Amino acid sequence: AQRVTQPEKLLSVFKGAPVELKCNYSYSGSPELFWYVQYSRQRLQLLLRHISRESIKGFTADLNKGETSFHLKKPFAQEEDSAMYYCALEGPGQNFVFGPGTRLSVLP
Amino acid sequence: DAGVIQSPRHEVTEMGQEVTLRCKPISGHDYLFWYRQTMMRGLELLIYFNNNVPIDDSGMPEDRFSAKMPNASFSTLKIQPSEPRDSAVYFCASSLWFGAGSSYEQYFGPGTRLTVT
Repeated sequence: AQRVTQPEKLLSVFKGAPVELKCNYSYSGSPELFWYVQYSRQRLQLLLRHISRESIKGFTADLNKGETSFHLKKPFAQEEDSAMYYCALEGPGQNFVFGPGTRLSVLP
Repeated sequence: DAGVIQSPRHEVTEMGQEVTLRCKPISGHDYLFWYRQTMMRGLELLIYFNNNVPIDDSGMPEDRFSAKMPNASFSTLKIQPSEPRDSAVYFCASSLWFGAGSSYEQYFGPGTRLTVT
């Protein structure tokens, strides 16, 4: 069965510090993985997808099939990065599974 | 485009009452998803449609929940009868699939906050 775990419910870092939001998955096939973000009073929106190998707002995420991880990283956190972050896996037939989410708080 | 539209934004009802949540997807999108978000269980996929046809409803918690998509521009999620444990934020999302090998983005609505007393 597909499963996504995010071990940290809350992560607090200081502005300018590196940040890493952890995501692990279990899936028997070849995964399609995403990070979604929800800023305060805004809609849940796509941040990045692994297939695009892109960097959005300074964030990157590398798929590590050996460790079944898709951690989200940013070298220098900004206060505007404070939000709820969800890791998601697309299974067969566009069946999505979201992780429980990590609330990132960037302190001044 | 106003994006995915959901109504109502807030709903407070008494246990036992019927609740209907509505969603208008982005025009041209061929997938529509219903999610439930709670503190305990996070974001759960309830059901999704492709070209108005329900594809997977295995996430629907029980028979009290039903969803329909009578046309490409409208979907409903109904709870009858409602119970306090149904209190949650319900999200609708839509997407457009570009074909095999593509990875696509879901566009979420603002959500409906349901409170059942």
